[in-house]
Amino acid sequence: EVQLLESGGDLVQPGGSLRLSCAASGFTVSNYGMSWVRQAPGKGLEWVSTISGGGYTYYADSVKGRFTISRDNSKNTLYLQMNNLRAEDTAVYYCARRVAAVGGHFDYWGQGTLVTVSS
Amino acid sequence: EIVMTQSPATLSVSPGERATLSCRASQSIFNLAWYQQRPGQAPRLLIYDASTRATGIPARFSGSGSGTEFTLTISSLQSEDFAVYYCQQYNNWPLTFGQGTKVEIK
Repeated sequence: EVQLLESGGDLVQPGGSLRLSCAASGFTVSNYGMSWVRQAPGKGLEWVSTISGGGYTYYADSVKGRFTISRDNSKNTLYLQMNNLRAEDTAVYYCARRVAAVGGHFDYWGQGTLVTVSS
Repeated sequence: EIVMTQSPATLSVSPGERATLSCRASQSIFNLAWYQQRPGQAPRLLIYDASTRATGIPARFSGSGSGTEFTLTISSLQSEDFAVYYCQQYNNWPLTFGQGTKVEIK
């Protein structure tokens, strides 16, 4: 059974850093594209970043240069390092699996972890 | 960036009735998915490649369309279908979602 479990969300001050984790089970993360999608309170879904099966990374303009997506194949875990956080980064962050190593829709989602950026 | 526009923002429907949700892309795309999000839950895949139902999705959900105009139809609304629905294109970077359509009980 495919499962995605996010962790690491917290309250952080503007300008601070945080690392989110997404532990995967039931499949091998390096065989799929893996993404982070966020949802600000009361708002819609916003794609944040993707790492392809081959390790190529992609970012939304809103986070480029501040966020870094990575994975640890030995731990079968996806990460999102978030630096220089802003109030507008406040959101629930979902980990999602793309259906293929390159391209495709999101077929599995985690339950999300809440990041709050506030002083 | 491909902008996805959903309409209406809110759809009021009685249980058992049909619901039709629209999604328009700012340029022609081939790859479109629909997701359902119930309150307090993560999104769930309903439809991919515009018209293919995901595993375990009831037959009352159907997707259609091509190019820039797409539709999600729920043939007979059940209580568990009252939720927010998002379309998403995965044709080009950046991946983009519509703003969502909330289906509420009339």
